[in-house]
Amino acid sequence: DGGITQSPKYLFRKEGQNVTLSCEQNLNHDAMYWYRQDPGQGLRLIYYSQIVNDFQKGDIAEGYSVSREKKESFPLTVTSAQKNPTAFYLCASSPLDRAAYGYTFGSGTRLTVV
Amino acid sequence: AQKITQTQPGMFVQEKEAVTLDCTYDTSDPSYGLFWYKQPSSGEMIFLIYQGSYDQQNATEGRYSLNFQKARKSANLVISASQLGDSAMYFCAMRGNAGNNRKLIWGLGTSLAVNP
Repeated sequence: DGGITQSPKYLFRKEGQNVTLSCEQNLNHDAMYWYRQDPGQGLRLIYYSQIVNDFQKGDIAEGYSVSREKKESFPLTVTSAQKNPTAFYLCASSPLDRAAYGYTFGSGTRLTVV
Repeated sequence: AQKITQTQPGMFVQEKEAVTLDCTYDTSDPSYGLFWYKQPSSGEMIFLIYQGSYDQQNATEGRYSLNFQKARKSANLVISASQLGDSAMYFCAMRGNAGNNRKLIWGLGTSLAVNP
């Protein structure tokens, strides 16, 4: 079955460490997205990519980095520059960046700073 | 700029009753899509229903229907015959076709609790 796989499900980070969250899709979708969700809050866009080797900043890109070397993969690195990284991270994809298409989501990664 | 407003932070409904979750939107894009997603406590985002701005009829998907009133810019989700498993956060979202409007933008969500 096609879908989006995020790993790990839970991740613990020490202060000052970089960590990378994995997102892989086998839906042949062109566009991929990373969101951050804080408790009781909505979704905030971190980065998105519409094509391989290209990506754009979202609303809260500071302290994060991404790459899109393959169509299927869009990993997110949470750097030590992100001062408050504890949150729930969701990866999504869509076939095209058009109004008629919604997003398919992964099951999320819960990141905690210890 | 596009905007989605969900004015109900929390809602309660008795099992087997219907409930309406409100969503209003603002956009200058003539072509846009409206979406509802469900997020249970596990965190996954589950697509429920889609309404296109040019669709003449309200969208329906099983127990979910979308009450689309274009002139009022509202896209309320109606859940009929509520079940205990409907307890979750519900998010309204919109995306357009023009420039920066092509990203999905989200409301802040409504927390629905279904009482037995």
